[in-house]
Amino acid sequence: EPEVTQTPSHQVTQMGQEVILRCVPISNHLYFYWYRQILGQKVEFLVSFYNNEISEKSEIFDDQFSVERPDGSNFTLKIRSTKLEDSAMYFCAGEAGRNTIYFGEGSWLTVV
Amino acid sequence: AQTVTQSQPEMSVQEAETVTLSCTYDTSESDYYLFWYKQPPSRQMILVIRQEAYKQQNATENRFSVNFQKAAKSFSLKISDSQLGDAAMYFCAYRSPRSGAGSYQLTFGKGTKLSVIP
Repeated sequence: EPEVTQTPSHQVTQMGQEVILRCVPISNHLYFYWYRQILGQKVEFLVSFYNNEISEKSEIFDDQFSVERPDGSNFTLKIRSTKLEDSAMYFCAGEAGRNTIYFGEGSWLTVV
Repeated sequence: AQTVTQSQPEMSVQEAETVTLSCTYDTSESDYYLFWYKQPPSRQMILVIRQEAYKQQNATENRFSVNFQKAAKSFSLKISDSQLGDAAMYFCAYRSPRSGAGSYQLTFGKGTKLSVIP
């Protein structure tokens, strides 16, 4: 099974700093997602992205967050000014339109 | 909005035995998809099995099978011949079909932590 790859696997950042998490989806995937999981809690939806625009976002995905796919391959999540409560595992996911979502290995963000 | 409930925070099973993890969900839709994801200590989310609601036949993938009861809105996961590598957090998830009117996001339960005893 091809993989969704994410970088970095772990990042520690100071509160207030900008963070960019990167994802390389599987080549035939058309829909892309970011989910997050705060330690010990369930996985939460952040945003979905299709045809170079956001198709759906949750209330978590406020103005501090943005996504883009600048070069047609990498899919990025930017957090403009990180807060302590942004510490979580961030999962990128992709879908080829067959109603099955495949997740990457996650990027663990620690805000100090 | 759809909700997914996993009522067993933790379960344990003896190696080589069978265990069943429970999941119930709430929806007003007639067509949807259900999934079980495994999250080992590495924290990667791994798809275990998926079930389309319009299919009456229960999905199976090797040692993993589901018991899908649409009327009861129940979707349990059975793991046969449990192995040490099955120890993980298991999440049940619901998703509307892309052709439907509902949200396309996955809605997850809180998870069940499965321990496998040697």
